Amino acid sequence: GENVEQHPSTLSVQEGDSAVIKCTYSDSASNYFPWYKQELGKRPQLIIDIRSNVGEKKDQRIAVTLNKTAKHFSLHITETQPEDSAVYFCAASPNNKLIFGAGTRLAVHP
Amino acid sequence: EPEVTQTPSHQVTQMGQEVILRCVPISNHLYFYWYRQILGQKVEFLVSFYNNEISEKSEIFDDQFSVERPDGSNFTLKIRSTKLEDSAMYFCASSVRAGDNEQFFGPGTRLTVL
Repeated sequence: GENVEQHPSTLSVQEGDSAVIKCTYSDSASNYFPWYKQELGKRPQLIIDIRSNVGEKKDQRIAVTLNKTAKHFSLHITETQPEDSAVYFCAASPNNKLIFGAGTRLAVHP
Repeated sequence: EPEVTQTPSHQVTQMGQEVILRCVPISNHLYFYWYRQILGQKVEFLVSFYNNEISEKSEIFDDQFSVERPDGSNFTLKIRSTKLEDSAMYFCASSVRAGDNEQFFGPGTRLTVL
């Protein structure tokens, strides 16, 4: 079955810096790759997603890239702000389910 | 904006007892899911449900688990005989269609098994 690896597990940046989180997946049938942000005690919230027919997608300060050949995708956050501090999960969808990575705890320091 | 809702927010039960977790998906969504998250760990897929049938289930979803859509709005997860290791946050999610489509998550039910 699908396996998603996510790195790093923790990431600490200064406000205004960029943050990059990387994920790899194993199942070439996966065709949908969402990123969720989860604040403490809250539900996962979708922040951006990308489908397998697209290599890059951007939404304001957030961008995601997908390399299908290498089976990896990345989240880029520019101009980080303290409110970006949270746990970020990548996921891959080989059919009708989401397989999540282990999460990255991002801390943005003022 | 419509949201997935779940009740209760926190359920405490004794080992061996049955629990039912309830979810109300977004009204025009057709696909429903249950995930769980053990404290400090990743979100894990349990089961997907469409057209009153299980579409897919994970290894976690053994005979102790069952799902049901008893009416037009509710979607339930039953754990027949809870174990200590069932303690986790359980999230319900729904989507308009399958595959490459956003899944909307509910706020979760924290299940504590004593």
